[in-house]
Formats: sequence, structure tokens, C-alpha cells
Amino acid sequence: NAGVMQNPRHLVRRRGQEARLRCSPMKGHSHVYWYRQLPEEGLKFMVYLQKENIIDESGMPKERFSAEFPKEGPSILRIQQVVRGDSAAYFCASSPPQGAYEQYFGPGTRLTVT
Amino acid sequence: QKEVEQDPGPLSVPEGAIVSLNCTYSNSAFQYFMWYRQYSRKGPELLMYTYSSGNKEDGRFTAQVDKSSKYISLFIRDSQPSDSATYLCAMSLPGAGTALIFGKGTTLSVSS
Repeated sequence: NAGVMQNPRHLVRRRGQEARLRCSPMKGHSHVYWYRQLPEEGLKFMVYLQKENIIDESGMPKERFSAEFPKEGPSILRIQQVVRGDSAAYFCASSPPQGAYEQYFGPGTRLTVT
Repeated sequence: QKEVEQDPGPLSVPEGAIVSLNCTYSNSAFQYFMWYRQYSRKGPELLMYTYSSGNKEDGRFTAQVDKSSKYISLFIRDSQPSDSATYLCAMSLPGAGTALIFGKGTTLSVSS
């Protein structure tokens, strides 16, 4: 039973470019969460999605960041016009419908903005 | 005051020691309490979760929640070098899909 999958594992972008991070949840999980981990900081919630719906985006920066979880395919976190401050590890987690407290994390995507 | 406070350590212990890791929190509405282990440059791994107050044991790990004191603990018995990692506490409000609020993590090093 495959766990949460994320790709790419490492992503390098120049300032002003776009970054697309992908996440496939565990089999049977319909809830997806994105978190960001900055150096010396804890994990911070960004957004919670179900298929075709954004449920809670209270942790998402208001500009340049967007997320989707289409009916088919992985969840995508998109960062437009990246800046150096976006350099971080981005983690995706998934949970079964009845247990948000049971979130399982993927290996993360490490974004470096040069 | 931060929602979840966790001493960053580092905490260094010899192999076989009992380790105690702790978090305090400010929001009395939190109902679910989790412990994650994160190895360097890896994703967090869910160790245990507890609902409300009480104890939960799983092998060498015991989680305790004291809601009256807003204090949670993770005990590791017979610690092993492979336990060397960063341990993150996390909490959530009740609900079908809610964000986890994390502490910053405690770095543990177990020497052989």
C-alpha cells in the first residue's frame, strides 16, 4: 500500500518563475493538506482540499499561491513568481474521510529559489 | 503566546535511557494530540495520536495528555540510536478535516 507520494523531491527555480508541486494521497484517502516547513520553523498549515473543493485555505498566502485537487490526478500546489522567501520544504499529507487527526505525510518537495 | 510550545533541545541521552518529550498548548479546544517523528530531510511519520485526556501505549512509546494542565508528553523506553530524530507534537480541533498545529520539534540524539 503506497504512502503519500510527492514529486518532484527537489525543485530549483529562479526568482520570478513558477513552481508546481504534486501530491498523490494514500489509497482510500480523500482529504489532502499542504504544509510548509521553513528553516528553523515548525510545520505550518497552508490549505486543506477534498476532490474538486478547497475547504480551508486560511494558511495560504493571499498572493501567488494556489492549490487544486482535481477529480482526476494529483493535488497541485502552485507558486507563481517565486521569491527567495519561498525556499522551503513543502509537505503534503492525506487522511481518511473520518479522521483528520490521522494525517500521513509524504516525503516533501524541497524548493530552492535562486 | 504561541499556540503550541515545545523545547527544541537538543536532547542527548545514552542508549537504553527513558526519554521524556513534552509540549504545552494554550487553546483548550484542542481535542486530538499527535506525535510525529521526522528524520533529517524526510517527511514526518505519525507515531501516535490520542483523543482528549489519558494515556496510550504502543510498544516502547507512551503518550500522555493532561488537558487540565494543557500539557502532553511522549515517553520512549529503552531508547535506541535509531530513535535519533526530531519529534514533533501536533494538535487539532475536532472536525472532519482540520489543520494540525505543530510545535517546532525537539531534536533527540541517542548515543550507543
